[in-house]
Amino acid sequence: GAGVSQSPRYKVTKRGQDVALRCDPISGHVSLYWYRQALGQGPEFLTYFNYEAQQDKSGLPNDRFSAERPEGSISTLTIQRTEQRDSAMYRCASSPNAGPNSDNEQFFGPGTRLTVL
Amino acid sequence: AQKVTQAQTEISVVEKEDVTLDCVYETRDTTYYLFWYKQPPSGELVFLIRRNSFDEQNEISGRYSWNFQKSTSSFNFTITASQVVDSAVYFCALSEGITGGFKTIFGAGTRLFVKA
Repeated sequence: GAGVSQSPRYKVTKRGQDVALRCDPISGHVSLYWYRQALGQGPEFLTYFNYEAQQDKSGLPNDRFSAERPEGSISTLTIQRTEQRDSAMYRCASSPNAGPNSDNEQFFGPGTRLTVL
Repeated sequence: AQKVTQAQTEISVVEKEDVTLDCVYETRDTTYYLFWYKQPPSGELVFLIRRNSFDEQNEISGRYSWNFQKSTSSFNFTITASQVVDSAVYFCALSEGITGGFKTIFGAGTRLFVKA
């Protein structure tokens, strides 16, 4: 596809369950970012990758959150033992290059709306 | 540490009015990047502009213009002759980092209502 895709678009789960959110970046894009956006707030940085290497995970709230991008393309954000406070929109973005240059706009996916009951 | 402040939570204007959305940032880096994104009611995030810290030249794109002033750490966004389709939440964002990609911090957003 032409843009960043995410699946599922909506996920409802019960507290305590694990969830895996998938991001399929634009083909060939080097960098991939995960954000969380609560209602009425701006996106909050979680982590990012260049190729398969996780460069910064300082935004992950706690050790229940993890992310991987094993082959430098698709990425999975996993939340273990979900809690109600994890409910939010989880957004993925990709950019063509690593580092700052004129091509390094981040293209955002549509997001996965996670609801933890 | 990075910080982006959008002090205006909501702004309401009548169509054809000009409106300026404020953005103030904090950073200790000398190299950084500033962005504006639009989030319409449909929910997607739409890139509007990117500006690096070494380029203080203001930019105009159609009805949109941006005023970057390092002296006041501000990157304000003006919509001239606003239209109903401009109604959205607008986010200002800041990225630091020279190599290896960069972490982006978003402001809380300003919700713009443009009434017909």
